[in-house]
Amino acid sequence: SQTIHQWPATLVQPVGSPLSLECTVEGTSNPNLYWYRQAAGRGLQLLFYSVGIGQISSEVPQNLSASRPQDRQFILSSKKLLLSDSGFYLCAWSPGGTGNTIYFGEGSWLTVV
Amino acid sequence: RKEVEQDPGPFNVPEGATVAFNCTYSNSASQSFFWYRQDCRKEPKLLMSVYSSGNEDGRFTAQLNRASQYISLLIRDSKLSDSATYLCVVNRGYSTLTFGKGTMLLVSP
Repeated sequence: SQTIHQWPATLVQPVGSPLSLECTVEGTSNPNLYWYRQAAGRGLQLLFYSVGIGQISSEVPQNLSASRPQDRQFILSSKKLLLSDSGFYLCAWSPGGTGNTIYFGEGSWLTVV
Repeated sequence: RKEVEQDPGPFNVPEGATVAFNCTYSNSASQSFFWYRQDCRKEPKLLMSVYSSGNEDGRFTAQLNRASQYISLLIRDSKLSDSATYLCVVNRGYSTLTFGKGTMLLVSP
């Protein structure tokens, strides 16, 4: 069966520090991969999605970036965090193709102080 | 009009009650529809897909009205464990899904 792992689960970072969140999927190949963010009191916002290695589509440019160095690995990064980057970050995967169910990792709680 | 709109609630109901959630979406080209459930401070999890003819899974019934661009979720015989936020989800373009902000349900003894 397929599983998705995301880490770290929680982190507290100072403003201006870098960020790296990592996500891996097991038990499938060539998945679509996603990064979502859920800020306090707000809905899920799609940040990036990828349909293949090295293929990244950005929904929210800002100061975040994503990379997919391997088929089942997705990384979310920032060079300098802002207070507004605080939130619940969720990695997700879906089978390749369109309109499929997506499955989330357990999420990473980021607090920027 | 927002892509996916839901009544934020909260809906407060007693155990055993029937409760219905509604959702509207703006993209008439959408083809895939889902309901997800999210517990407090947890990741969303798929509750059920929504099919054009309507579908049922135990105490849960989902309906889709394409003409009105409207989706519903009915929960019968509510349990305490049903307390959560219910997210209406619609596909948007290739490979991406748009989530509503969710409707909070609180089931009390």
